[in-house]
Amino acid sequence: DIQMTQSPSSVSASVGDRVTITCRASQDIRSWLAWYQQKPGKAPKLLIYAASNLESGVPSRFSGSRSGTDFTLTISSLQPEDFATYYCQQANSFPITFGQGTRLETK
Amino acid sequence: EVQLVESGGGLVKPGGSLRLACAASGFTFNTYTMNWVRQAPGKGLEWVSSISSGSSHVYYADSMKGRVTISRDNAKKSLYLQMNSLRAEDTAVYYCARDHGYSGYIWFDPWGQGTLVTVSS
Repeated sequence: DIQMTQSPSSVSASVGDRVTITCRASQDIRSWLAWYQQKPGKAPKLLIYAASNLESGVPSRFSGSRSGTDFTLTISSLQPEDFATYYCQQANSFPITFGQGTRLETK
Repeated sequence: EVQLVESGGGLVKPGGSLRLACAASGFTFNTYTMNWVRQAPGKGLEWVSSISSGSSHVYYADSMKGRVTISRDNAKKSLYLQMNSLRAEDTAVYYCARDHGYSGYIWFDPWGQGTLVTVSS
C-alpha cells in the first residue's frame, strides 16, 4: 500500500499568513494526488486534484504543486474561513490512501 | 444540483449487520464510479470501497474485505454498502462520495453528509 505522510500534523497561523502543508508519498504516484478541506461536523471538500488543478469554485489563494513524491498545498493569504483540517489523498492505485491530516488553527 | 444522501446508519451490536444506502440526484448516476469513505470519531479519513459505473469492478480496503459488499442500482440511482460481522473499530461516519470524473483516477467529489454507524453492546 502507498503511505501518505503529511506534515505538519498541526499548524498555527494568522489571517493573512502564507501557509504550506506537505504530503509525501511512499512511492511514485505521478501527479495523482488530491487535497481536501474538512471543517468540524462537515463532509470533506475537494480543493485540488491531479496535484495542481484547482477545483471549480475554490478560491485562487489555494494552490498545489509536486516535486517528485513530495506534494505541497499552499494557501497564499489565509482567510478566516480557511481554518480547518486538510487531507491529501493518492489516487494512483488501490487501496486509495489518505494522509493523516493537518489541522490549521488560529494563532 | 448534485446531491448524495446517505441513510441506514445506527447502533448495532458487535457481530451484527447493517446496510447503508446512498441516494443520488442531479447527475447521470450510471456514468460515475461511486465510493464509500469512513471517518472514525476524531480520526482521519479512510477509504472503504469503490464500484465502477457498471458494477464490473469493485475494490475494498483490507480492513473491511470479506465483511462488506458494495453494490449499486443504476435504475434507482442508489449506492449500497452491506456490512457484516461489525466490530467496535468500525464505528465511524460513513460517507458516500462520487468520483470527480477527471482522468479516470478517483477523486472524491462531491460527498454526502454522512451516516453514523456505532458498533457497541
